[in-house]
Amino acid sequence: GENVEQHPSTLSVQEGDSAVIKCTYSDSASNYFPWYKQELGKGPQLIIDIRSNVGEKKDQRIAVTLNKTAKHFSLHITETQPEDSAVYFCAATDSARQLTFGSGTQLTVLP
Amino acid sequence: EAQVTQNPRYLITVTGKKLTVTCSQNMNHEYMSWYRQDPGLGLRQIYYSMNVEVTDKGDVPEGYKVSRKEKRNFPLILESPSPNQTSLYFCASSPRTGPYEQYFGPGTRLTVT
Repeated sequence: GENVEQHPSTLSVQEGDSAVIKCTYSDSASNYFPWYKQELGKGPQLIIDIRSNVGEKKDQRIAVTLNKTAKHFSLHITETQPEDSAVYFCAATDSARQLTFGSGTQLTVLP
Repeated sequence: EAQVTQNPRYLITVTGKKLTVTCSQNMNHEYMSWYRQDPGLGLRQIYYSMNVEVTDKGDVPEGYKVSRKEKRNFPLILESPSPNQTSLYFCASSPRTGPYEQYFGPGTRLTVT
């Protein structure tokens, strides 16, 4: 089955700096790669996603890049703000078109 | 308000006592799924449903049952809970025919003693 690895597990950045979270996947047939943000005590919320026919996607301060050859994708958050502090999960679809999630990254934005 | 609701939000029970966690969505979504979240393991899929009366196993289905008799409801049933099912459970739904653009519920924290 699909295996998704996510790094780092924790990340601290100064407010205004950029944050990058990286994920690798194993199934070359994977074609959908979402990123979810989970705030304390809440369910995950989709923040951005990308499909395998696109190399990069941006939405204001958030961007995702995909390298299909290397089987890795990354989340980039620019001009970080305290409200960006949360746990972030990457995921990839497997051969059954179901999602496999990474283990999560705790992002802390220091004021 | 478009949302996925789960009940109860918190539950403490004992080994072997059957329980049901309800999940309901008001967005007319066809796809629904259940995940469990454990520290260091991310979210793992338990069961999913592509439509009414259509359910299938995810990665960790052992010890769980589901049903999908109506489009809006997707209850998770633990017939004989065990301590290793202590976890945080999330229900999700999607407007697509698969786990795309999923909306998650607020979670149910289950403790089995």
